[in-house]
Amino acid sequence: AQTVTQSQPEMSVQEAETVTLSCTYDTSESNYYLFWYKQPPSRQMILVIRQEAYKQQNATENRFSVNFQKAAKSFSLKISDSQLGDTAMYFCAFMKHRVGSEKLVFGKGMKLTVNP
Amino acid sequence: NAGVMQNPRHLVRRRGQEARLRCSPMKGHSHVYWYRQLPEEGLKFMVYLQKENIIDESGMPKERFSAEFPKEGPSILRIQQVVRGDSAAYFCASSQGTSGLDTQYFGPGTRLTVL
Repeated sequence: AQTVTQSQPEMSVQEAETVTLSCTYDTSESNYYLFWYKQPPSRQMILVIRQEAYKQQNATENRFSVNFQKAAKSFSLKISDSQLGDTAMYFCAFMKHRVGSEKLVFGKGMKLTVNP
Repeated sequence: NAGVMQNPRHLVRRRGQEARLRCSPMKGHSHVYWYRQLPEEGLKFMVYLQKENIIDESGMPKERFSAEFPKEGPSILRIQQVVRGDSAAYFCASSQGTSGLDTQYFGPGTRLTVL
């Protein structure tokens, strides 16, 4: 079974600073997908960024980028130029690349607070 | 293009009653997933459906819970004889069902409170 671990339950950062959120996972699959989702106080789950395991290049979406280390089974999220609107719970998630196994496996989440 | 719709957003039930949660996927999406989020926890997979078919129900409790996604209309998650432990946020997600990276997009969730 796949597991996703987010070892930092909570972090805070000053506005405009850079912060890195860590995530590790365990799987015997060779091909899979990884995601970061954000859950602001509204509770809506919002996709932040995604990574396909077969791609060596790290994904980037504007101020968000990942450091994907397949051998180490590590998938950290870097948020540059933090904004107050980045305050939210952040969840790392794993999905097998296999038809019929498209369920997401989530970590427990990490609460990020961006301070003015 | 409307996102994933869920209703109701909040639902209060007394122990023993039935709860029916609805999910309309994004336009063009034929795959629906239900997840449950207990307080202070991450989301846990419950069931994966395509039109008129249950593909994976490995996360569904064996009793009282059922799900359907009919040919016409929304997907329904039904909880019979609710108990206090069913209080949680229930999220629906949908995807296109294409091969390759098939991203799931989430609805706003239904917050179920059992009194």
